[in-house]
Amino acid sequence: DAKTTQPTSMDCAEGRAANLPCNHSTISGNEYVYWYRQIHSQGPQYIIHGLKNNETNEMASLIITEDRKSSTLILPHATLRDTAVYYCIAETSGSRLTFGEGTQLTVNP
Amino acid sequence: EPEVTQTPSHQVTQMGQEVILRCVPISNHLYFYWYRQILGQKVEFLVSFYNNEISEKSEIFDDQFSVERPDGSNFTLKIRSTKLEDSAMYFCASWDIVSGANVLTFGAGSRLTVL
Repeated sequence: DAKTTQPTSMDCAEGRAANLPCNHSTISGNEYVYWYRQIHSQGPQYIIHGLKNNETNEMASLIITEDRKSSTLILPHATLRDTAVYYCIAETSGSRLTFGEGTQLTVNP
Repeated sequence: EPEVTQTPSHQVTQMGQEVILRCVPISNHLYFYWYRQILGQKVEFLVSFYNNEISEKSEIFDDQFSVERPDGSNFTLKIRSTKLEDSAMYFCASWDIVSGANVLTFGAGSRLTVL
């Protein structure tokens, strides 16, 4: 599984877009980029995933660079409830997910 | 929306006691997982389970741990003789295919406190 690198923490103003970066320069061709988040000590929550193309769902957008060495998770209109630790994970489908330290996103009023 | 259910939400036990944590995965899911998170630390993989057997386990999952699916719905994690360092949140998860990739749905967790 490819190692990912994320900033330790980020702040965002409520109502603004939150852009969370992730580097995965050693990602292999069959590894997906997954994003999960964890609010307080709750169970991790799936947000979105992608392989090569940009993806969007009701929660977020995922932008993957053409060389696939980095990606950005975008929460278009962050709310206070989006305050959480966000994990970027690069894994092959069917493998266990390996969680890193993630990015602590704090959304401020 | 389907969810993974875990019980108990919090269990306090004495060191050396046996503990069973229970999970009801989403009904049509076939792969099941246990993860744990010691307070302030990362979420760590313990074990995955498929077709009534362990498919992968981590170095944390030693002989003190066991998993089973006693019936068609429950998935349990047993710790035979708890140690202080077993105090953690334990998360159950089950697996589904979404857009060609596996996606894990996690339960809310069971907090285990070993005294």
